[in-house]
Amino acid sequence: AQSVSQHNHHVILSEAASLELGCNYSYGGTVNLFWYVQYPGQHLQLLLKYFSGDPLVKGIKGFEAEFIKSKFSFNLRKPSVQWSDTAEYFCAVNGAAGNKLTFGGGTRVLVKP
Amino acid sequence: GAVVSQHPSRVICKSGTSVKIECRSLDFQATTMFWYRQFPKQSLMLMATSNEGSKATYEQGVEKDKFLINHASLTLSTLTVTSAHPEDSSFYICSARSWTGSPYGYTFGSGTRLTVV
Repeated sequence: AQSVSQHNHHVILSEAASLELGCNYSYGGTVNLFWYVQYPGQHLQLLLKYFSGDPLVKGIKGFEAEFIKSKFSFNLRKPSVQWSDTAEYFCAVNGAAGNKLTFGGGTRVLVKP
Repeated sequence: GAVVSQHPSRVICKSGTSVKIECRSLDFQATTMFWYRQFPKQSLMLMATSNEGSKATYEQGVEKDKFLINHASLTLSTLTVTSAHPEDSSFYICSARSWTGSPYGYTFGSGTRLTVV
């Protein structure tokens, strides 16, 4: 069975600070990895995804994530956050051969102006 | 890009009644859709996988008779919460997997907040 762990439940930081959210997964085979963002009152939106190729993935809104296979990790980063990045961030994984998408517990990010 | 429309966005119903939630893929065909439940301040929990033309596959612990799923066409899946009780109050989200276009992968509906009184 696949599982996803997000280390931080809540993160508070100031504008212009750098952000890194941890994500580790557990799965025995090839995986597809995703980061989604949920702004207050809105639905999930895809930030970025990794299927194969370059392990450093660039997404929308200045986010990027690095897939480190040996560490089963897919951490999300942004060099300089803005107040508008206040949201909840979810890491998700599905086995490449399957359909099911499994989510981590989510990380609430609050960016203070 | 791939768009999933979910209706209604909010519904309040009386205990004991049934509520139907619709999930439509607007510009692509979705042979597989997924239904999630999200409790306040928690992550999304997969309830079931809905397959067009066949029975849904439910996750362990999800009552099949309580949460009826129908996926009669390639663009529509419905979730009916039968004989709803206050503990069924939650945020329900559907998702469809798109194999082409952007974003390739999973697209989510905007969710339905169900309140059972």
